[in-house]
Amino acid sequence: QQQVKQSPQSLIVQKGGISIINCAYENTAFDYFPWYQQFPGKGPALLIAIRPDVSEKKEGRFTISFNKSAKQFSLHIMDSQPGDSATYFCAASIRNNDMRFGAGTRLTVKP
Amino acid sequence: EADIYQTPRYLVIGTGKKITLECSQTMGHDKMYWYQQDPGMELHLIHYSYGVNSTEKGDLSSESTVSRIRTEHFPLTLESARPSHTSQYLCASSTSDGLVVEQYFGPGTRLTVT
Repeated sequence: QQQVKQSPQSLIVQKGGISIINCAYENTAFDYFPWYQQFPGKGPALLIAIRPDVSEKKEGRFTISFNKSAKQFSLHIMDSQPGDSATYFCAASIRNNDMRFGAGTRLTVKP
Repeated sequence: EADIYQTPRYLVIGTGKKITLECSQTMGHDKMYWYQQDPGMELHLIHYSYGVNSTEKGDLSSESTVSRIRTEHFPLTLESARPSHTSQYLCASSTSDGLVVEQYFGPGTRLTVT
């Protein structure tokens, strides 16, 4: 069964807008939550990651919000740019092993 | 840019053929992985290795096999390709240490079995 559920499947945002992608998990043993970005023809690349001891992590225009009690985490892309158009995957792992990925969100940022 | 390579990038092959997808990394990572990726679906782990002579099957049942004779090399073999094997195959590697666990992915091999 899918251990990490991701939504939406696709997202269209205007340039300058905020893109929000959500993920939910069931296994409370997960202790590491990364987001990967994948451009066409390339493999996924780590974008930003968080551990459950903090509720938010920000790196530039990218922010992860983490809600441990709700078992949810989300990626916010501020001031979205056309160059951000890609597929985004959330993931979760236990003790650095056994990474489980969400189904991906295809983001399109319109100029 | 991660130093992980996959060949071939694209492969079209007939049913019943034996194929090997190559994956190599120059980062000295002990952990390596093979994922299967279909459009709109999550990455499914099909094989992984935590070091030389160590290989394990992942969650997704796969008719493929892997070997890890050298740290840098983790090839995946299909003895008899079938149309159901048509997919994108991604290889990745990571270290065992540190709080930041990054899996470095190769560009993938897109396999089509006719």
